[in-house]
Amino acid sequence: GQNIDQPTEMTATEGAIVQINCTYQTSGFNGLFWYQQHAGEAPTFLSYNVLDGLEEKGRFSSFLSRSKGYSYLLLKELQMKDSASYLCVVMDSNYQLIWGAGTKLIIKP
Amino acid sequence: GAVVSQHPSRVICKSGTSVKIECRSLDFQATTMFWYRQFPKQSLMLMATSNEGSKATYEQGVEKDKFLINHASLTLSTLTVTSAHPEDSSFYICSARDRNRGDTGELFFGEGSRLTVL
Repeated sequence: GQNIDQPTEMTATEGAIVQINCTYQTSGFNGLFWYQQHAGEAPTFLSYNVLDGLEEKGRFSSFLSRSKGYSYLLLKELQMKDSASYLCVVMDSNYQLIWGAGTKLIIKP
Repeated sequence: GAVVSQHPSRVICKSGTSVKIECRSLDFQATTMFWYRQFPKQSLMLMATSNEGSKATYEQGVEKDKFLINHASLTLSTLTVTSAHPEDSSFYICSARDRNRGDTGELFFGEGSRLTVL
């Protein structure tokens, strides 16, 4: 079956760095997305990785290792507004999106 | 950037009535649109994939006759919740894929529609 695993909840301190991990087992692979979702709102796109390595975009970076079925989202200089759920999404060989359950990130002052 | 507009954002209806939710891509053509529902504190659940000009593909467990999806044009998909009941109360979100970006791009999400059935 197809499966995406990510921690249910994480807590971090304002100004610090946090890494949210995602492991996946899917039928083929055509890319991995990270989305941010604030409570009661629609998700917003953060990153897309299809090749191995690190993609940096401002305070956010995303890493992919296809051989390990592993990705992480790295958030630096955490701000209170970063408190949200972070969704790991994999596109399989049929271009279907497989959604992780999301990681709720709580930022404390 | 690409914009997806969803309407209405909030709707309250009586049990037994039908509710239509619209999802429009404002500045791009979307050959594929996705409909999700989300219960409080839970992840998005894909309900169906809507392709322009053809029947929607429903996920297992989603009633086709209850959740009618129409994708009549490249910029509009509608979800109709027929004979709504209180258990249908949820947050419904649509997303669209830009046909010009192929399968390498992101999904663009509507703002979501909160349905409350009394």
